[in-house]
This record gives sequence, structure tokens and C-alpha cells, in this order.
Amino acid sequence: ILNVEQSPQSLHVQEGDSTNFTCSFPSSNFYALHWYRWETAKSPEALFVMTLNGDEKKKGRISATLNTKEGYSYLYIKGSQPEDSATYLCASGDDSGYALNFGKGTSLLVTP
Amino acid sequence: DSGVTQTPKHLITATGQRVTLRCSPRSGDLSVYWYQQSLDQGLQFLIQYYNGEERAKGNILERFSAQQFPDLHSELNLSSLELGDSALYFCASSEAPSYGNTIYFGEGSWLTVV
Repeated sequence: ILNVEQSPQSLHVQEGDSTNFTCSFPSSNFYALHWYRWETAKSPEALFVMTLNGDEKKKGRISATLNTKEGYSYLYIKGSQPEDSATYLCASGDDSGYALNFGKGTSLLVTP
Repeated sequence: DSGVTQTPKHLITATGQRVTLRCSPRSGDLSVYWYQQSLDQGLQFLIQYYNGEERAKGNILERFSAQQFPDLHSELNLSSLELGDSALYFCASSEAPSYGNTIYFGEGSWLTVV
């Protein structure tokens, strides 16, 4: 079972700040890395799925990078807005099974 | 709206009881996953089905069981409930059991065991 770690556990930034979080995972047998955004009382929303080393994905002000050789991914939010407040989850899957293994998430609070 | 429907949204039951959680996947998705979110824990993978067959098993207790029916909906059965089973149970679905596919989550079923 892959051990997926996320840091920081929580983050509080001001509106307009840019921020980033880290997801680390064992690089052996890596297959894919997923990022999700989870607001309270809602379902986790898929942001990105990345499989290739060096992959970079972007969705509006949110982007992510992937380094499969060293086992980490960064999620960046440019110009944070209060509506970005949520828990950001990453999950990794290896080629030995079919299940994604999730980190505990980074809780982001953006205040005006 | 992810297209994954879970019922009930909230459930309160006593220790020792049995409950069934139901999930309807997104239209066209053949793979269904069940996850448990407990306090201070990350999402814990329980079990996965693909087109009616079990494909992978995670940290699912023997008191728990699941199945996927021919119409692709799935049920998670939790029996002999204990206080520690109180959690948010998510169902998710994807087109196929491949990590490259996006997995869509329902809103979850909150189970409280008293």
C-alpha cells in the first residue's frame, strides 16, 4: 500500500496570495497521481490526473506538476480567492492493484 | 453534481445493528469504489467492483460486505456495527478500473453509530 503524504496539513492565506502544497508518494511502481478539491458537505471534485514524469496541468488559476522519479507533486493556486477555501487531496495508484491511496489532505482557508 | 448518487445521506443507528448504503454510479461508469473517511484519517479504500465483479479489496472489515448489481448500482453492507464504524462513507465511480481515468465521488453517507 502506497503511503501518500501531504503538507502542510493546513494553510491560511489572504485573498490574492499565491500558494502551493506538496504531495509525496513512493516512486516505485507509480502509475498515476490524482488531485481533488473537497468542500465541506460536497463530494470531492477531480482537478487533475497525471501519469507522466514532468507532467504539468492547469485549470484556471490552479496548476499541478509531477515528478515521478523523486515521488512528489505540487499543486499551485495563483491569486487565491475565498472560494478556493477547501481541502485539497492527492491520491496515488500503483501498478499492483486498482485502488487509489489518498493523503490526509491540505486544508486551505483564504480570507478576504 | 458528479453524477454519483448515494443514499441515505445521513444515518444514525445503534451498536450491533446492520445498515445498507446504496450507490448509483455515473451513467456509463462500470467501476465502483467504496471509501471510508474517519476522523483524522485520510480516505481509506474499502473495495472496488468492475462490471459486477470484485476487482480489489482494501482495508475492509469482515463485518462489511459489498456487491455490484447487474444494473451497476452497488451496496455496502455494514453489520454488527461498533462505535468506531462512525464515518463518512463515499462511493465513487469511473469508466474503467484504470488509474488514468478520473474517479467521480458521490456526496457520501454519514453514518453515526450510537
